[in-house]
Amino acid sequence: GAGVSQSPRYKVAKRGQDVALRCDPISGHVSLFWYQQALGQGPEFLTYFQNEAQLDKSGLPSDRFFAERPEGSVSTLKIQRTQQEDSAVYLCASSLAAGTSVYEQYFGPGTRLTVT
Amino acid sequence: GESVGLHLPTLSVQEGDNSIINCAYSNSASDYFIWYKQESGKGPQFIIDIRSNMDKRQGQRVTVLLNKTVKHLSLQIAATQPGDSAVYFCAENGGSQGNLIFGKGTKLSVKP
Repeated sequence: GAGVSQSPRYKVAKRGQDVALRCDPISGHVSLFWYQQALGQGPEFLTYFQNEAQLDKSGLPSDRFFAERPEGSVSTLKIQRTQQEDSAVYLCASSLAAGTSVYEQYFGPGTRLTVT
Repeated sequence: GESVGLHLPTLSVQEGDNSIINCAYSNSASDYFIWYKQESGKGPQFIIDIRSNMDKRQGQRVTVLLNKTVKHLSLQIAATQPGDSAVYFCAENGGSQGNLIFGKGTKLSVKP
């Protein structure tokens, strides 16, 4: 079946521009995670949704980062007034997990953001 | 802070040999561990997982071993193939909402 998809795959933004990154999770997956991956590093947690509820946003690096999942399916990560340090690959993952149950997370291909 | 780390940042093996990738974790409360494979330009791909009530789990050509006493995780790949060349990450569910904490990764290179 279809996996997690993300768009755009690549985004170049000038410093100060706003960007919006989209994630389409696997159908029926309750949990959705956003991660940020710097070059040569492992992914780092940004935020977590269970259905439409954002239950954890402790990993968001600043208030310029905002995420939503209004209908409990598609999610958007928005970065306002982009800075060069925001350049990274942004990964979305979805999982059947809900509550305390733990299931594997399936990742999308990521969006590579380059801020010039 | 608590983190997941790897002993070897790079590993080069001959095609057909077995590979072993190691990982140390520090959060004794973690009860779920995953290995991911990431190829250049792609997202992490699930390989195998293991829960803390197990010490070994086998998949197709892969085996994960968990030693809770020394907080060590390893991934064994049998008969390594060129297509196995990638960066391998271990991760633990150390976050409060089940979010994963990743190590820095090991790059596996397979020589033909």
